[in-house]
Amino acid sequence: SQQGEEDPQALSIQEGENATMNCSYKTSINNLQWYRQNSGRGLVHLILIRSNEREKHSGRLRVTLDTSKKSSSLLITASRAADTASYFCATASDYGGSQGNLIFGKGTKLSVKP
Amino acid sequence: NAGVMQNPRHLVRRRGQEARLRCSPMKGHSHVYWYRQLPEEGLKFMVYLQKENIIDESGMPKERFSAEFPKEGPSILRIQQVVRGDSAAYFCASSPTDRGVHQPQHFGDGTRLSIL
Repeated sequence: SQQGEEDPQALSIQEGENATMNCSYKTSINNLQWYRQNSGRGLVHLILIRSNEREKHSGRLRVTLDTSKKSSSLLITASRAADTASYFCATASDYGGSQGNLIFGKGTKLSVKP
Repeated sequence: NAGVMQNPRHLVRRRGQEARLRCSPMKGHSHVYWYRQLPEEGLKFMVYLQKENIIDESGMPKERFSAEFPKEGPSILRIQQVVRGDSAAYFCASSPTDRGVHQPQHFGDGTRLSIL
């Protein structure tokens, strides 16, 4: 079953603007990860945030996690045309039988116009 | 410095044929995951393997699909008697041996399977 649900489904912005994508999930998690996928390519890992963390930064990326609301957000600051891609959140379950397989949302398609 | 290697990149099969998808994990990784992606959708987990062991196949269809990760060689996802609904992109990911669940997965570029 689909765990994460991203919104918006599509986002179009101008270069230099910030882009915010949100993700909601349903069950208890061990960690939440964000990935990027360029058209026709595999997924590239961006950032992992553990369930006991609230915020994490990596370069122009900022991720927040609110486990009480079962939601996360990904902020890309000062966007560039090269940031154009689909962005997925993925959760790793925290129940004992889980071995690390990820449950993905449907993604947000980001378009950054030069 | 090779990443996860998948081949072929594109595979065309007629209904009823067999499809074999191969995945070589990153060097030093012994955990392999297979996912399927339909157009405009996220990835759906299929199976998780370690060398010579299937750890979790809860996402695999019960019939026609099988996966292996032998002691030597790549992991293989095999689909027998393919049907049109098997058309999708199939991605393989790998992760390191002993870092537990707090780890990112490294993905290949996928195999795009088309069924005629």
